[in-house]
Amino acid sequence: NAGVTQTPKFQVLKTGQSMTLQCAQDMNHEYMSWYRQDPGMGLRLIHYSVGAGITDQGEVPNGYNVSRSTTEDFPLRLLSAAPSQTSVYFCASSPGTSGIYNEQFFGPGTRLTVL
Amino acid sequence: RKEVEQDPGPFNVPEGATVAFNCTYSNSASQSFFWYRQDCRKEPKLLMSVYSSGNEDGRFTAQLNRASQYISLLIRDSKLSDSATYLCVVNWARGVRGSYIPTFGRGTSLIVHP
Repeated sequence: NAGVTQTPKFQVLKTGQSMTLQCAQDMNHEYMSWYRQDPGMGLRLIHYSVGAGITDQGEVPNGYNVSRSTTEDFPLRLLSAAPSQTSVYFCASSPGTSGIYNEQFFGPGTRLTVL
Repeated sequence: RKEVEQDPGPFNVPEGATVAFNCTYSNSASQSFFWYRQDCRKEPKLLMSVYSSGNEDGRFTAQLNRASQYISLLIRDSKLSDSATYLCVVNWARGVRGSYIPTFGRGTSLIVHP
């Protein structure tokens, strides 16, 4: 099993550009989520999904879109990149849909810089 | 008050020392609790879940105090390899279809020196 994979590992964008961060998992997990991690801020939830076709906003959703057409994939789209979106982005997945007692498995992260 | 708070540290301790971290949470309806470990520039990984009765895994002991709304992590006989950031995670039901959304603390940095 590859676990949770993320691409790209590094990305530099110019202000106003759009891009999609890819996330895939091969563990058949229903629950998937996207976080950003900034220095001193900890992990903040952007969007999450409890199954194909079901997504919801997290703590910091502005400027990001998601969709979940398959169990395996959960891409994160930046609509118009801004310097404030410079961060490290982690995708995570978890078995079940409730998320209550389940371990989250994280991908290796994408380091994004917006100039 | 932040929903989940941790002392950022760093906690700087010698090898062999015992060190303890606390994490306080504000929502009394919180249902599940975890400690994750994050090495520099790596993804977080589960260290241990925290149960009401307390639980131990080798040199690591986790405790939950619901009355005072905090969880703790005790590390005995610290090793150099324990140097990392320790994140506490608290879950309560606030998501779509009643799902539990984890809230992460900002993390506590531990540095173990020779």
